[in-house]
Amino acid sequence: DTEVTQTPKHLVMGMTNKKSLKCEQHMGHRAMYWYKQKAKKPPELMFVYSYEKLSINESVPSRFSPECPNSSLLNLHLHALQPEDSALYLCASSRPGGAEPQHFGDGTRLSIL
Amino acid sequence: QKEVEQNSGPLSVPEGAIASLNCTYSDRGSQSFFWYRQYSGKSPELIMFIYSNGDKEDGRFTAQLNKASQYVSLLIRDSQPSDSATYLCAVNGETSYDKVIFGPGTSLSVIP
Repeated sequence: DTEVTQTPKHLVMGMTNKKSLKCEQHMGHRAMYWYKQKAKKPPELMFVYSYEKLSINESVPSRFSPECPNSSLLNLHLHALQPEDSALYLCASSRPGGAEPQHFGDGTRLSIL
Repeated sequence: QKEVEQNSGPLSVPEGAIASLNCTYSDRGSQSFFWYRQYSGKSPELIMFIYSNGDKEDGRFTAQLNKASQYVSLLIRDSQPSDSATYLCAVNGETSYDKVIFGPGTSLSVIP
């Protein structure tokens, strides 16, 4: 069983919809990450929160909006997505600093119609 | 210039053989090195991590690190068909606080 839980597992949405991806971890980690992964490619970092503050934004389009309500929760708000945004979205957590292993959730498979 | 490189494969080995997966990195100040296994359609799963030069063993897996050569490898002994997956090398650089750089991954196929 994964200790990082992501919901929903699958999401299909139209380009005009607004939806949110959720991630929860109970590992006591203070760094949380969002990645986007396309087929046969490595995970691509989107955002990092360290101690509940946004520490890295990898020039992600504003149609993706992250939120970290507390040390256990991480959200990714989606609005006006494009078909090319269809991908596996992964949440991970670790101790801050990047030197410690990241633990991934099972991911949300997102399809944009 | 890519920061973390891996042989893309696919690498095919017979069941019971040793699979050797290689990774090179460009940031000489890198301190932390991770190997993840990813089955098709699933999320990455941490297999090994190593911080010091030399070998680190965990069951059938051995990670080897040579900082002078900027090279890290993963050996899988007694390979099983269930080891067939993509293996991702990830490196935390000296200046990349809160961030790891993933290599492109190596696809491994273990043939029964």
